[in-house]
Amino acid sequence: GQNIDQPTEMTATEGAIVQINCTYQTSGFNGLFWYQQHAGEAPTFLSYNVLDGLEEKGRFSSFLSRSKGYSYLLLKELQMKDSASYLCAATDSNYQLIWGAGTKLIIKP
Amino acid sequence: DGGITQSPKYLFRKEGQNVTLSCEQNLNHDAMYWYRQDPGQGLRLIYYSQIVNDFQKGDIAEGYSVSREKKESFPLTVTSAQKNPTAFYLCASSTGRDYTGELFFGEGSRLTVL
Repeated sequence: GQNIDQPTEMTATEGAIVQINCTYQTSGFNGLFWYQQHAGEAPTFLSYNVLDGLEEKGRFSSFLSRSKGYSYLLLKELQMKDSASYLCAATDSNYQLIWGAGTKLIIKP
Repeated sequence: DGGITQSPKYLFRKEGQNVTLSCEQNLNHDAMYWYRQDPGQGLRLIYYSQIVNDFQKGDIAEGYSVSREKKESFPLTVTSAQKNPTAFYLCASSTGRDYTGELFFGEGSRLTVL
């Protein structure tokens, strides 16, 4: 079956760095998304990786290893407003999106 | 400003009643989607539409119905046949029909069955 795994919850300190991991098993693979979702709000797009490697976008970076079925989202210089859930989603060979359950990130002062 | 508008934001329903959730977009996107979000679970696809007057069932379509009479609008009806309708419902749209582009989400509609 198709599956996305990511930790349920993580805690980090303001100003620090945190890495949120995501592993996927899909029938084929055509790309991986990361979305941010604040409580009670809609998800917003963070990144899309198709090729192996690291893509940096300001304080956020996303990494993909297609051979390992693995991705991570790296958040630097954490701010209180980064407290949110981070959703990982992969597209399979039919371009259907498979979503992880999300990682709730708690930032402490 | 372009975006997706969902209404109502909160909705209460008695058992046995049908309710319709509205979703309107002015992004000129071809593809539109309805997702359901429950605590501790990933987003689950209910229905999607890639073009006007056409839509496809997602993974959990039973108890739901949709229409796509206009490019801008994709309403979702939660029928009395849906056994556990209390959830957060998200509408989304995208330029591409193949999930290679980002999804733009509405603010969501929270449905509670009393």
